[in-house]
Amino acid sequence: ETGVTQSPTHLIKTRGQQVTLRCSSQSGHNTVSWYQQALGQGPQFIFQYYREEENGRGNFPPRFSGLQFPNYSSELNVNALELDDSALYLCASSLVPVESYGYTFGSGTRLTVV
Amino acid sequence: AQSVTQLGSHVSVSEGALVLLRCNYSSSVPPYLFWYVQYPNQGLQLLLKYTTGATLVKGINGFEAEFKKSETSFHLTKPSAHMSDAAEYFCAVSDGATGNQFYFGTGTSLTVIP
Repeated sequence: ETGVTQSPTHLIKTRGQQVTLRCSSQSGHNTVSWYQQALGQGPQFIFQYYREEENGRGNFPPRFSGLQFPNYSSELNVNALELDDSALYLCASSLVPVESYGYTFGSGTRLTVV
Repeated sequence: AQSVTQLGSHVSVSEGALVLLRCNYSSSVPPYLFWYVQYPNQGLQLLLKYTTGATLVKGINGFEAEFKKSETSFHLTKPSAHMSDAAEYFCAVSDGATGNQFYFGTGTSLTVIP
C-alpha cells in the first residue's frame, strides 16, 4: 500500500503571498488532517476533512483553508502569509474513527516565509 | 481540554541500556493515547497506541508503553536501546471528539551513545 505523499517538499514564499500545499492520502483512507509543526515543537492541529467537509478545526485563523477531493486527496491553502507561518506542514490520513486507527503521516512540506 | 506533557526534552542512553521516555496527559474523558517517532526530515511514524483494554501496549521495534490511569501517565520503554532508535519521540492524546484532534507533546529527543 502507498503511504501519504506530500508536495512540494520545500517551499520559500514572501510575506503576504498565498501558498497551496498538496497531499495524497494513503490508499483506502477516507479522512485527512493537516498539522503545523514549528521548529522544536510538537504538531498543532489545523483541521480535518471527512467526506469533503471540514470536520473539525484547531486554533488557526480563517486564512488557513482546505479542500478534500472525491479521491480523498487534499489541499491546504494559506493566504496572506506571515513570518510565523514558517513551519513543517504535515498531512495525515486515517480511517474513522481516527482514535482507533491512529494517523499515517506524510513527510511534510517545509515552508519558509521571508 | 486535552494536553500532554513530556518530561525531558532530551534523553541520552548508552547502547543496550533501558529507554524510558515520560508522558503525562490531561483529559476530562477516557483518553486515547499514542506514541509517534520522527526521524530527521521525515514525518511521524506510529509506534503504538492505547484505545481500550489491556493497559500494557506493545508496539513496533521493541517499544512498549503502559497506561496508568491513576498517574495519568503513558510512559514509553524499550529494554535495550539500539543506535537506530535515535530520533524525536512524540506522545499524543485524543478524546475522540468531533474532528479527532490529536494533542501532541513538545517531543523528546533520544540520543543513543555507542
